[in-house]
Amino acid sequence: NAGVTQTPKFQVLKTGQSMTLQCAQDMNHNSMYWYRQDPGMGLRLIYYSASEGTTDKGEVPNGYNVSRLNKREFSLRLESAAPSQTSVYFCASGEEAFFGQGTRLTVV
Amino acid sequence: QKEVEQDPGPLSVPEGAIVSLNCTYSNSAFQYFMWYRQYSRKGPELLMYTYSSGNKEDGRFTAQVDKSSKYISLFIRDSQPSDSATYLCAEGGGSYIPTFGRGTSLIVHP
Repeated sequence: NAGVTQTPKFQVLKTGQSMTLQCAQDMNHNSMYWYRQDPGMGLRLIYYSASEGTTDKGEVPNGYNVSRLNKREFSLRLESAAPSQTSVYFCASGEEAFFGQGTRLTVV
Repeated sequence: QKEVEQDPGPLSVPEGAIVSLNCTYSNSAFQYFMWYRQYSRKGPELLMYTYSSGNKEDGRFTAQVDKSSKYISLFIRDSQPSDSATYLCAEGGGSYIPTFGRGTSLIVHP
């Protein structure tokens, strides 16, 4: 079972570049989440989707957009990357939050 | 005040010891309580999941929830060096998005 799959695993961006982080789950979960994890800050919620067709802001949404493409897929977009967005990004799904393996993003 | 509080550690114990990890939370509406293990440079892995007060056991792991005092614990018996990781507690359920503590770093030395 794949569970939650994130792509890419690593990415280096220059300031101002854009990119989309992809997430897909095969557990038929309604809810999906994007978190970022920074040293000393723990996991902070960026956006979430309670069900297909809905998205809502979390604790730290500025600089990000999301799309719930269908029940399986939930993408996170950085329109104009900034060094402050250097972090590890995790997608999760389900009430119990099953996590993907993360995307390690560096913005230079 | 963060909704879920967790001592960051590190907690260092000898192999074979019983480990106790703890969290407190402030939102009494939380319905579900979870513990995750996160190895370095990996995603959090769900270890235990419970939605009631009391104990839940799975092998060497026991999760304990006390809703009256808003306190949850994870006990690890016969700890092994492979248990060395960061342990995250989380609460959520219903309309409440999973909210995480900052994690406790555990080191089990041979």
